[in-house]
Amino acid sequence: DVKVTQSSRYLVKRTGEKVFLECVQDMDHENMFWYRQDPGLGLRLIYFSYDVKMKEKGDIPEGYSVSREKKERFSLILESASTNQTSMYLCASSAPRVFRQFFGPGTRLTVL
Amino acid sequence: RKEVEQDPGPFNVPEGATVAFNCTYSNSASQSFFWYRQDCRKEPKLLMSVYSSGNEDGRFTAQLNRASQYISLLIRDSKLSDSATYLCVVNKVTGGGNKLTFGTGTQLKVEL
Repeated sequence: DVKVTQSSRYLVKRTGEKVFLECVQDMDHENMFWYRQDPGLGLRLIYFSYDVKMKEKGDIPEGYSVSREKKERFSLILESASTNQTSMYLCASSAPRVFRQFFGPGTRLTVL
Repeated sequence: RKEVEQDPGPFNVPEGATVAFNCTYSNSASQSFFWYRQDCRKEPKLLMSVYSSGNEDGRFTAQLNRASQYISLLIRDSKLSDSATYLCVVNKVTGGGNKLTFGTGTQLKVEL
């Protein structure tokens, strides 16, 4: 079974801090995705990556950046956290040419 | 218009009832359709893919109507454990790659 892990389940940060969210998958998937999930808005794609060192913007990339130095790891970076970035962050991965995505358990980030 | 629209519910049904959810999508070029299930404070997990001819998996039946651009999920003999949010998911057609668009979900509560 695919396993996608995220570095923290809960995180509390202060406005202006730099925040790193880590995601690791163990199935050698090329594709990795970062979403945020908010009530009434559903899952929204922030960034995705099809290969190492490759990244593309999703629907809401503003205020975020990503890093993919190794195939199994995809990091989401909040350069300067703001209160409107309080959300549930979900990482997912999928095999090439396959739509099914496997999700990590999520990180609930609170920015004070 | 949202790319994927669902009635948020909640649908409150007694155990043993049959319940159906519908979902509409806006892009007629979409090719891949799924239902994901998300338990409270957990990550989404694939429930089933939706095929053109309709498909069944135990108590769950999925249907696709391309002409009207809607997808349905029927749950027969509801169990307490079916209580969850059901996400309608469609592949993104624009921008390339195998990205997905998620509906905001329909909440189901199965009661004794």
